[in-house]
Amino acid sequence: EAGVAQSPRYKIIEKRQSVAFWCNPISGHATLYWYQQILGQGPKLLIQFQNNGVVDDSQLPKDRFSAERLKGVDSTLKIQPAKLEDSAVYLCASSPRLGRVLSTDTQYFGPGTRLTVL
Amino acid sequence: AQKVTQAQTEISVVEKEDVTLDCVYETRDTTYYLFWYKQPPSGELVFLIRRNSFDEQNEISGRYSWNFQKSTSSFNFTITASQVVDSAVYFCALSGHGSSNTGKLIFGQGTTLQVKP
Repeated sequence: EAGVAQSPRYKIIEKRQSVAFWCNPISGHATLYWYQQILGQGPKLLIQFQNNGVVDDSQLPKDRFSAERLKGVDSTLKIQPAKLEDSAVYLCASSPRLGRVLSTDTQYFGPGTRLTVL
Repeated sequence: AQKVTQAQTEISVVEKEDVTLDCVYETRDTTYYLFWYKQPPSGELVFLIRRNSFDEQNEISGRYSWNFQKSTSSFNFTITASQVVDSAVYFCALSGHGSSNTGKLIFGQGTTLQVKP
């Protein structure tokens, strides 16, 4: 079974530029998550989708970050304009929604996209 | 509020030594799930184990074992006879089961384990 796919793996941009990341979850997984991992810290949830609907985006900086999950499969995360503090690894995860409640699911992570903002 | 604390920032051991990674959590939920993930240098988070709050049995999987103690809010991870391939950052994470919880994982800061040959 293929895992979570992400691209690109690395991206270097200047501040104030735009950038987009792509994620393809494990086939059949209904729930998709985007996490931000700053160097030396644990991942922090940015946004969570259930199929193509947003479940939680409370920690997404909506003035510059946006995300969508069209057709309930692939997802894109965009930053516009980027700031220096956005330098981080952006991890995508998916879970199958086996349980009645989302917290019972195990999340499986992709390799991440390492973003450097100069 | 939910919180996970991994007090050990870095641990260095020599191959074949046993090593324990500590994890302490805080939550008001009576039902919750605890996880351990491994992050090798390649960057991908690899799932190791999930434990629900009603199951306090210790678990062993090969050289890995986990000790869950609700009385001390701890979920520690032991690697027996460590190997160089165990070198990675290890994260403990918590997912609450309350009505307001969406399944998001609350991660600790991570513990970097270096196993020297």
